[in-house]
Amino acid sequence: QQQVKQSPQSLIVQKGGISIINCAYENTAFDYFPWYQQFPGKGPALLIAIRPDVSEKKEGRFTISFNKSAKQFSLHIMDSQPGDSATYFCAPLVSGAGGTSYGKLTFGQGTILTVHP
Amino acid sequence: GAVVSQHPSRVICKSGTSVKIECRSLDFQATTMFWYRQFPKKSLMLMATSNEGSKATYEQGVEKDKFLINHASLTLSTLTVTSAHPEDSSFYICSALQGTHNYGYTFGSGTRLTVV
Repeated sequence: QQQVKQSPQSLIVQKGGISIINCAYENTAFDYFPWYQQFPGKGPALLIAIRPDVSEKKEGRFTISFNKSAKQFSLHIMDSQPGDSATYFCAPLVSGAGGTSYGKLTFGQGTILTVHP
Repeated sequence: GAVVSQHPSRVICKSGTSVKIECRSLDFQATTMFWYRQFPKKSLMLMATSNEGSKATYEQGVEKDKFLINHASLTLSTLTVTSAHPEDSSFYICSALQGTHNYGYTFGSGTRLTVV
């Protein structure tokens, strides 16, 4: 069962444009919704994350929108820059799953973003 | 901020040999570390969860005798790929959980393993 579906697989945006990446999930027990950014040959780095008690969070040019009823959350990158070109992953988790004090990240398929200058 | 160092960044080994990859949390203690495998243009696949002082928990389908994990201290976990074969060539990434903060996952920079 595919728990997390990320779209689109790839995205090309002009500099200054808006990039939008979506993540749909099945598991209603997810309680933490992060987006990770990965550059080629590097490990992922946390970009922005949201808890389910809010519908939107903004940090600089990056915004997460969360729709609990639709079981979806999205990443919006405003004023996209060539330096934003990377692969983006949503990776929700259930904290404290299985009696542990932590949860396992469930990675989406990834979106390759290319921002043209 | 939390930093996780992974070493080596690249390694080439001959088929049949073993390779060890180290993952260190530099400025925090990590009771739990995770090991992932990533194929080109694909997502991260969790291989195992490593807990300090205890045996690692492997995901379904991951050969525990092939991928040996040791978490001997609160700042170091190692992944040893034993009797490596070309199909083991991949990008291996570790992640460490900072303290009791459920959401504080920090990733290493990854290790590109090529088996020839």
